[in-house]
Amino acid sequence: GAVVSQHPSWVICKSGTSVKIECRSLDFQATTMFWYRQFPKQSLMLMATSNEGSKATYEQGVEKDKFLINHASLTLSTLTVTSAHPEDSSFYICSAIHRGTGTEAFFGQGTRLTVV
Amino acid sequence: AQKITQTQPGMFVQEKEAVTLDCTYDTSDQSYGLFWYKQPSSGEMIFLIYQGSYDEQNATEGRYSLNFQKARKSANLVISASQLGDSAMYFCAMREVGYSTLTFGKGTMLLVSP
Repeated sequence: GAVVSQHPSWVICKSGTSVKIECRSLDFQATTMFWYRQFPKQSLMLMATSNEGSKATYEQGVEKDKFLINHASLTLSTLTVTSAHPEDSSFYICSAIHRGTGTEAFFGQGTRLTVV
Repeated sequence: AQKITQTQPGMFVQEKEAVTLDCTYDTSDQSYGLFWYKQPSSGEMIFLIYQGSYDEQNATEGRYSLNFQKARKSANLVISASQLGDSAMYFCAMREVGYSTLTFGKGTMLLVSP
């Protein structure tokens, strides 16, 4: 299957700093990428939909100024958690839809963010 | 109302036995897609199997098969010959026509014992 690479897989940062997470589709072009957040023992919660060359669409309740999404190319989307606080600690995972098939959504490995 | 319902928070199965993980969905669309993902403790989401609403045959991928009953709006995942490595969280998801996003169920934790 198609490969989506997410980096870093884990990060610890100090409260007040910003953290950038990258999501790359390695062997295909992704028209759309998604960012999810997952709390322990819960399902994935969609945060935003990212389309190449346009502004991201955020889900209700997600602060766009706090979670900055940039989709610079058909293979790269980034999520920046700005001024991180301990409550932002979570598992963040991205997915991408294959431009050709449009059916499957392939996921990155996820990023475990801990804010201390 | 929940669009994807997984009623089994946890399931136990012995190695080499088959197990069925339940999933029901709710949509008024005629065209939609159903997905199953496996999430081991490492956190990655592993795509297992896909069923389109117009697919007449049940999808199969190796030891995974999807028991698709359209009239009942159910899309159960069947894992045959369970292995210890199958222990993980399993999520059912749906994509409706016109929406690029996936809607996930709450998941079922599967534990395979020797």
